[in-house]
Amino acid sequence: DAKTTQPTSMDCAEGRAANLPCNHSTISGNEYVYWYRQIHSQGPQYIIHGLKNNETNEMASLIITEDRKSSTLILPHATLRDTAVYYCIGRGCYTGTASKLTFGTGTRLQVTL
Amino acid sequence: DAGVTQSPTHLIKTRGQQVTLRCSPISGHKSVSWYQQVLGQGPQFIFQYYEKEERGRGNFPDRFSARQFPNYSSELNVNALLLGDSALYLCASSIGANSGANVLTFGAGSRLTVL
Repeated sequence: DAKTTQPTSMDCAEGRAANLPCNHSTISGNEYVYWYRQIHSQGPQYIIHGLKNNETNEMASLIITEDRKSSTLILPHATLRDTAVYYCIGRGCYTGTASKLTFGTGTRLQVTL
Repeated sequence: DAGVTQSPTHLIKTRGQQVTLRCSPISGHKSVSWYQQVLGQGPQFIFQYYEKEERGRGNFPDRFSARQFPNYSSELNVNALLLGDSALYLCASSIGANSGANVLTFGAGSRLTVL
């Protein structure tokens, strides 16, 4: 799985968009970009994933650069409940252990009033 | 719909003891994975089981073992507990095992403290 690099921490004002960057310069052509978040003392929560195209769901948008070397998770209107550690993960297609997610240290997003 | 359920939620053991953690996947999910999360770090992959067979194993000693039952529930066993085994143990389930587009759903975890 591709190595990912994320900032250690970020702050965002409530109601504003939170843009969380992720570098994955070694990602291969068949690796998906996944985003999970973990609110304190809970299990990780799936947010969104994508391969090449930008994706949007009810939680967030995922913007993947054309060369796929980086991506940005966008929370359009951050609330205090979005305060969490956000993990960007590169995950390959069939590898025999495809359910394996390699978590880094993630970005700690603090949403403030 | 019930999510991934884990039990117990919290437990305390002493060094040298053995522990069994349990996980019930989402209905219809046939794959179960286990992760260990030490305080301040991201979760680390331990095992994946699919259709009762081990499909993958992370870099953990043989003191860690697991199994999956016909109803797709799973148990994680840790023998000869060490202080360093204190962690949040997470179970995740998914429909299948072999697709990069296969979303994992995590449970709330079992927090193990070894004294």
